Amino acid sequence: DQQVKQNSPSLSVQEGRISILNCDYTNSMFDYFLWYKKYPAEGPTFLISISSIKDKNEDGRFTVFLNKSAKHLSLHIVPSQPGDSAVYFCAAQKGNTGKLIFGQGTTLQVKP
Amino acid sequence: SQTIHQWPATLVQPVGSPLSLECTVEGTSNPNLYWYRQAAGRGLQLLFYSVGIGQISSEVPQNLSASRPQDRQFILSSKKLLLSDSGFYLCAWQPGHDQPQHFGDGTRLSIL
Repeated sequence: DQQVKQNSPSLSVQEGRISILNCDYTNSMFDYFLWYKKYPAEGPTFLISISSIKDKNEDGRFTVFLNKSAKHLSLHIVPSQPGDSAVYFCAAQKGNTGKLIFGQGTTLQVKP
Repeated sequence: SQTIHQWPATLVQPVGSPLSLECTVEGTSNPNLYWYRQAAGRGLQLLFYSVGIGQISSEVPQNLSASRPQDRQFILSSKKLLLSDSGFYLCAWQPGHDQPQHFGDGTRLSIL
């Protein structure tokens, strides 16, 4: 049972344009959501998070949107840069367990 | 600042051999600690987590075990490795609930 899903395995975007990465979840008890960026042979790096009491959080070029009714979150990267090319994972946490459920990841390629 | 160390970076082991992967965190006290595994082309799967010394919770039945002998040390072990234990193992720490987890650089484990 995949509780967190990233249905797009890959995404290709031109440099300077917007990258939109999507994530869906099934468990309405999730209350904290995160996005991580991962390069090959490295551990994931935390990018941005959002609590379920908010619908938007912004940090520089990165914005995360949360639609609780649709159980959907998205990460917007504007403008996209070649250095953004990596695998992006969304993750969800339930209650105070601290345990994260990860999606399968989306590989983003930003072309110069 | 806080840092997390994982070693070794890569490991090749024969089937049936024992395993010990170590993870240490610096610059913080009483962190939550986590072990994840990433199989090829998959997301991260939580294996174990710990909220304190000697406190280990297992998420999935498997051939592995974890221990936390000191506050900032988390060890992943196996008595006899299986082929299916191959993967990328990641340690993570978390300061507290509703805060991001931060990952080490991982160990690439190959079983022959």
